[in-house]
Amino acid sequence: AQSVTQLGSHVSVSEGALVLLRCNYSSSVPPYLFWYVQYPNQGLQLLLKYTSAATLVKGINGFEAEFKKSETSFHLTKPSAHMSDAAEYFCAVSPFGAAGNKLTFGGGTRVLVKP
Amino acid sequence: KAGVTQTPRYLIKTRGQQVTLSCSPISGHRSVSWYQQTPGQGLQFLFEYFSETQRNKGNFPGRFSGRQFSNSRSEMNVSTLELGDSALYLCASSPPQGNTEAFFGQGTRLTVV
Repeated sequence: AQSVTQLGSHVSVSEGALVLLRCNYSSSVPPYLFWYVQYPNQGLQLLLKYTSAATLVKGINGFEAEFKKSETSFHLTKPSAHMSDAAEYFCAVSPFGAAGNKLTFGGGTRVLVKP
Repeated sequence: KAGVTQTPRYLIKTRGQQVTLSCSPISGHRSVSWYQQTPGQGLQFLFEYFSETQRNKGNFPGRFSGRQFSNSRSEMNVSTLELGDSALYLCASSPPQGNTEAFFGQGTRLTVV
């Protein structure tokens, strides 16, 4: 069974500082990987996805993530935090080659941005 | 293009009752998945429907069921509600190609009292 671990349930950063959110997955073969963001009382919005093409993936709102097979990681970064980045972020995996759409999510990391 | 629409947005039910939640996917999407989000358990996959057939299922009791109609709209039903069923229920639709991103609705907040 696949699993996803997000290190740190809460992260506090200063406005303008680097945002780094960690995600490690457990899977026998590299899965599809996703990062989603959730604002209060909202659904999830896709930031970016890895589907076995380029290992460095650029997403929306200045976020990017790098797939590292040797480390089974897919960490999310943004060079300069903005107040609007305050939200909860979820890493998710989907089995490669499997029929259907079934996401397994990490526990989430809530980001607080300090002025 | 309209996004995924979930109705109602908020719902309060009493223990023992049943509830039906509705999800209208993005036009052209035939896959609809349901997730439960709680503070304690996080985001958990309930089930996925594709072309009116359940294609994947999570580890939830039989009280949780769903269906999909010919227009791809989906409903999920929870019978004999328990306090622990209080959660945000999220619906997501996906394009016909497999393992692409899921587009989420805003969710239905269910409170069981």
